[in-house]
Amino acid sequence: AQTVTQSQPEMSVQEAETVTLSCTYDTSESDYYLFWYKQPPSRQMILVIRQEAYKQQNATENRFSVNFQKAAKSFSLKISDSQLGDAAMYFCAYRRKGAQKLVFGQGTRLTINP
Amino acid sequence: EAGVTQFPSHSVIEKGQTVTLRCDPISGHDNLYWYRRVMGKEIKFLLHFVKESKQDESGMPNNRFLAERTGGTYSTLKVQPAELEDSGVYFCASSHLFPIQEGRRNEQFFGPGTRLTVL
Repeated sequence: AQTVTQSQPEMSVQEAETVTLSCTYDTSESDYYLFWYKQPPSRQMILVIRQEAYKQQNATENRFSVNFQKAAKSFSLKISDSQLGDAAMYFCAYRRKGAQKLVFGQGTRLTINP
Repeated sequence: EAGVTQFPSHSVIEKGQTVTLRCDPISGHDNLYWYRRVMGKEIKFLLHFVKESKQDESGMPNNRFLAERTGGTYSTLKVQPAELEDSGVYFCASSHLFPIQEGRRNEQFFGPGTRLTVL
């Protein structure tokens, strides 16, 4: 069975600084998708960024980028120029190609210090 | 377009009682999913509907949980009788059935969740 591990229950960063959230996963599949979701306090969870395993190039979305290391099964999220609005719970997730269900990690609570 | 909505936002019940959670997916989304996050742990998949049919219910914890999606629109998740370990946040998500073919984003859109507390 696939598993996703986020080893950092909480992280904090100074506003305007850069922070990296860690995620590792375990799978025997070769084709899959990886995601980072963000859930602000009392709000809906939204997709931040996605990576397709067959693509070697790391995905980027404005200030958000990933470091995808397929051999190491690592998928970290880097947030540059952190803003107060980035404060949220961040979940790493995996989905096997052809499947529908997402497999999530435990989440990392990110605090932005002004 | 309106997002996924869930009702109620919070529910506090006594052990042994029954609770019904509701999810309204985004209009036009044939896929509907239920997930659950027990305190401090990972979000776990419960089940997946395609229209009104249960496509995958491998994550349902036991027969105290019953999910329905009559007519293929909104869905309900009933817990009867509720136990202490059922406490957590229940998320609903929806997505298009054929997003790539329709030129749409291939992602699940989540609701805000229902926080269930069983005392």
